[in-house]
Parts: sequence; C-alpha cells; structure tokens
Amino acid sequence: GAVVSQHPSWVICKSGTSVKIECRSLDFQATTMFWYRQFPKQSLMLMATSNEGSKATYEQGVEKDKFLINHASLTLSTLTVTSAHPEDSSFYICSADKGQVPAEAFFGQGTRLTVV
Amino acid sequence: AQSVTQPDIHITVSEGASLELRCNYSYGATPYLFWYVQSPGQGLQLLLKYFSGDTLVQGIKGFEAEFKRSQSSFNLRKPSVHWSDAAEYFCALQGNKLTFGGGTRVLVKP
Repeated sequence: GAVVSQHPSWVICKSGTSVKIECRSLDFQATTMFWYRQFPKQSLMLMATSNEGSKATYEQGVEKDKFLINHASLTLSTLTVTSAHPEDSSFYICSADKGQVPAEAFFGQGTRLTVV
Repeated sequence: AQSVTQPDIHITVSEGASLELRCNYSYGATPYLFWYVQSPGQGLQLLLKYFSGDTLVQGIKGFEAEFKRSQSSFNLRKPSVHWSDAAEYFCALQGNKLTFGGGTRVLVKP
C-alpha cells in the first residue's frame, strides 16, 4: 500500500499565531511531497513542492515566509502557517509519490485550518 | 502548458442511473491521467489512472474511464450510481506537475 497521513485533521488558531501541519508517508519513502490548498467548492491549487533535504519550490504567488515548508526526512514534511490570519483559513492537503515514473500521488486526508 | 477542464460543475443523477463525467486535457506530450473522488472534508481517493496501453481503464467502486487521444478526453463512467457516489470528482493530469480540473460535484437523487 501507500498511505499518507496528515495531522491534525482540523485546527483552530488565533490570528497572529503559527500552526504546523504534518504530512507523513507511513509505508514508503517520499523524496518529494506536495502541498495544496483548497478553497470551499474549488479545486486543489498547488502551493509548493517539498524535496527532502533541500528547499521547497513554491508556486507563483505563494508567500514563502508565510508558508514555511520543511522536509527533513524521507517520510515527513511539515507546513507551518506563520502569523496566521483569517484569510489563511482553508483546507490544506498534502501528497507524496514514490519517485516512480510516471508519478502517482498519494494524498493525505487534509487539514481544515480555521483562524479566528 | 498543461490544463484540465471539467465542463460540468454539478451533475444530478438518480440512484441506479448511469453517470458520465467529462474531462478534457491539454498537454503536448503523453498524458498520465487520473480520476480522484473527494468526500466532504476528506482527502482524495484514487479511482483509476491511465498511463498507457488499453484505453479503457477499470477502477474501484465500479468506475471506468476511456482515454481518447483524438478528443483529448478522459471521461469517467459508472453504469449504475449508488447514493454513496455523491461526492466531488476531480480529473488530473500528471505532466510537469499534477494539474487538476475544477471538479464536478455529483448529487444522487433517491
């Protein structure tokens, strides 16, 4: 199998605080992980590509300093939303692939972030 | 550039009726195509994928999809819909990166 676990499933935080979301590949090593943001009733928008041991690659328009990504091991990537504001409230989803070609993504269950 | 279009934002179908969800793509090379399903507040579950070979692909939950290169399409079908099929469906293309269509929300009438 290929299981990706995301934690927490939901989180509520106060404006100005930071929140960390974890994405783990449970039964495989993931050299690359991806972070998406999904607004209500919309599709997934790729935020960044996370590579183990190197800096993440951010999509155009995504603030690097706002969304900090760390991929310290082959099974864990984290997304930290810094100084969160209500407009950061969203559904965040991670995915990972096994490095095969063609790539097949395995998705976490998502994290609902609400900033109050 | 690569893109995926799902022309139907919403589809309502009666339970037991057939379902077809449309997906069109634009990509300059061999496309690797996927269909995912998402229940509210959940992540994405892979229904099926097309990499090469037989253009009619069978997936989980009784779904199938047909790749038509001449039409740049990868439509998803199910012969008989169950109430549990009500969800959001996303078509995606793996090119330089994974690109999603806008999604189609399926409502199932009893």
